Amino acid sequence: DIQMTQSPSSLSASVGDRVTITCRASQNIDKYLNWYQQKPGKAPNLLIYTTSTLQSGVPSRFSGSASGTAFTLTISSLQPEDFATYYCQQSHSPPLTFGPGTKVD
Amino acid sequence: EVQLVESGGGLVQPGGSLRLSCAASGFTFSKYWMHWVRQVAGKGPVWVSRINEDGTTRSYADSVEGRFTISRDNAKNTLYLQMNSLRAEDTAVYYCARATYGQDYWGQGTLVTVSS
Repeated sequence: DIQMTQSPSSLSASVGDRVTITCRASQNIDKYLNWYQQKPGKAPNLLIYTTSTLQSGVPSRFSGSASGTAFTLTISSLQPEDFATYYCQQSHSPPLTFGPGTKVD
Repeated sequence: EVQLVESGGGLVQPGGSLRLSCAASGFTFSKYWMHWVRQVAGKGPVWVSRINEDGTTRSYADSVEGRFTISRDNAKNTLYLQMNSLRAEDTAVYYCARATYGQDYWGQGTLVTVSS
């Protein structure tokens, strides 16, 4: 199975900050990396798919990229509604594993 | 409007069975892969299973392989998860989700509790 790691596991930030979260896969997953945002009591919400494609309706302050085996989610200017937990997920091959999450508070 | 509504969760004893349903509306159900994802309170989501558009291709997490069966009825716009030989560690909120490249729409979840 493909294992996903994320760093950091949590971070403290302020409104207006630039936030970067990194995800790594244990094997090659090509471009098949998705990012989700989850708030307490709610289902995960798809932000970005296939590394860098913004899901419809997601603000443009969210972006995704890759460099080598590292995938990055960037929030260019943190807004109050962005305080949440963020998960990466590989959709290259089953089981479609999620990362352990990064809590932004 | 895309809607996914799960049902069928509840309290079941270890070794018991449950069948979850996910009623879909607002899109052409038969054109999408569908997934089940579960989440223990306070933990991250865990992918459980997926099924292709016509039900001919199915995949499972190792932890449920041989115990859970995913299926769909495209005439009824409904996704199912038959769960047998349930264990305490299967306790979680179960979500159904529509898939394109990622899981783009999710239901509200249904709670399954396995306990004696």
